[in-house]
Amino acid sequence: RKEVEQDPGPFNVPEGATVAFNCTYSNSASQSFFWYRQDCRKEPKLLMSVYSSGNEDGRFTAQLNRASQYISLLIRDSKLSDSATYLCVVNNPTSGNTPLVFGKGTRLSVIA
Amino acid sequence: NAGVTQTPKFRILKIGQSMTLQCTQDMNHNYMYWYRQDPGMGLKLIYYSVGAGITDKGEVPNGYNVSRSTTEDFPLRLELAAPSQTSVYFCASRPGQDSVETQYFGPGTRLLVL
Repeated sequence: RKEVEQDPGPFNVPEGATVAFNCTYSNSASQSFFWYRQDCRKEPKLLMSVYSSGNEDGRFTAQLNRASQYISLLIRDSKLSDSATYLCVVNNPTSGNTPLVFGKGTRLSVIA
Repeated sequence: NAGVTQTPKFRILKIGQSMTLQCTQDMNHNYMYWYRQDPGMGLKLIYYSVGAGITDKGEVPNGYNVSRSTTEDFPLRLELAAPSQTSVYFCASRPGQDSVETQYFGPGTRLLVL
């Protein structure tokens, strides 16, 4: 099983739609979780951290299910500017000094 | 703070040439990383460093070398460029081993080997 798995997409949704991305991780000892956003031909940038109780930042909601080792990102009222690749990132405490593991990303295209 | 800076932004190399990709961070971060990202693919870790004078191999180190003589700089060296090294190279840094700390990426260097 891969350390961090995501559906690669692409997800093609109309403006205003709600879209959800899922991510599973294999290491039950993982402690920190993040969603990054990567625009085409740009570097990944932190979108939001994911907290145990779930957290919201505007139109974005992140959820964590430790029992199922599952993370989700919900985007409400999608905008054209949300088109990007969304990377699920997990820390891996058993990997010594390289604790962050990046998923391959899920591509989102928001269509007018 | 400028954050993580990388030079050059773009480079074309001939097979067998060598070059150094520069990476500098001004956040006093201990941890630094080099990744490559092939078109449509995820990030692959090449090398990383947990502090000045300390480096270690990542997932795909072959064909590359690194050094970390200062906290700020983490250059990546390609000795004999091959077409398989055509990729986008990202440098990243992180404060330390605290699990809640995230990584900051530079803007990337696009390398084309012909």
